[in-house]
Amino acid sequence: KQEVTQIPAALSVPEGENLVLNCSFTDSAIYNLQWFRQDPGKGLTSLLLIQSSQREQTSGRLNASLDKSSGRSTLYIAASQPGDSATYLCAVRISYNTDKLIFGTGTRLQVFP
Amino acid sequence: GAVVSQHPSWVICKSGTSVKIECRSLDFQATTMFWYRQFPKQSLMLMATSNEGSKATYEQGVEKDKFLINHASLTLSTLTVTSAHPEDSSFYICSAGDYDRGTDTQYFGPGTRLTVL
Repeated sequence: KQEVTQIPAALSVPEGENLVLNCSFTDSAIYNLQWFRQDPGKGLTSLLLIQSSQREQTSGRLNASLDKSSGRSTLYIAASQPGDSATYLCAVRISYNTDKLIFGTGTRLQVFP
Repeated sequence: GAVVSQHPSWVICKSGTSVKIECRSLDFQATTMFWYRQFPKQSLMLMATSNEGSKATYEQGVEKDKFLINHASLTLSTLTVTSAHPEDSSFYICSAGDYDRGTDTQYFGPGTRLTVL
């Protein structure tokens, strides 16, 4: 059974810092991995999607890497801003044959001015 | 593009009543939609997969007679929480994939907060 874990569970930093959020999954046989952002009481916004054959994806100040063999993904946020404050979730899609996503436990990020 | 809406955004009901939540794909057709539940400070847990024109597939531990799912069209799926109880209070989120755009990304609705008194 695939399990997805994220560390740290919470993070509070001053703005301007570069951040690393970690995601681990127990079964390396995944189809893709996705990072989402969730603001309090809101739905999810997709940030980055990495296919199993890819090593990383970048969008603006965000960079996500994937090491499938070790069951890890990292979301790197450069020059953090207060507007980055949210919960970040990673999710794995376990195979091509299913759209089902298994979500991680989330990292609650607070960036203060 | 690829917008998913949910209605209502929040609902408060008395214990024992039923509540219907709608999930709509506004600018694309979704043969498959997903329903998730999220308890405070916890992650999303998949409840069921909603397939247009057929019965939903429920995850282990989710009561299909309590959480009725209907996917009657390519743009609408509904989740009905029957005989709701306080322990059903949660944040319910739906998602859908827009595979015609050639992307694997799922698009999520804004969620519905259900409070059962």
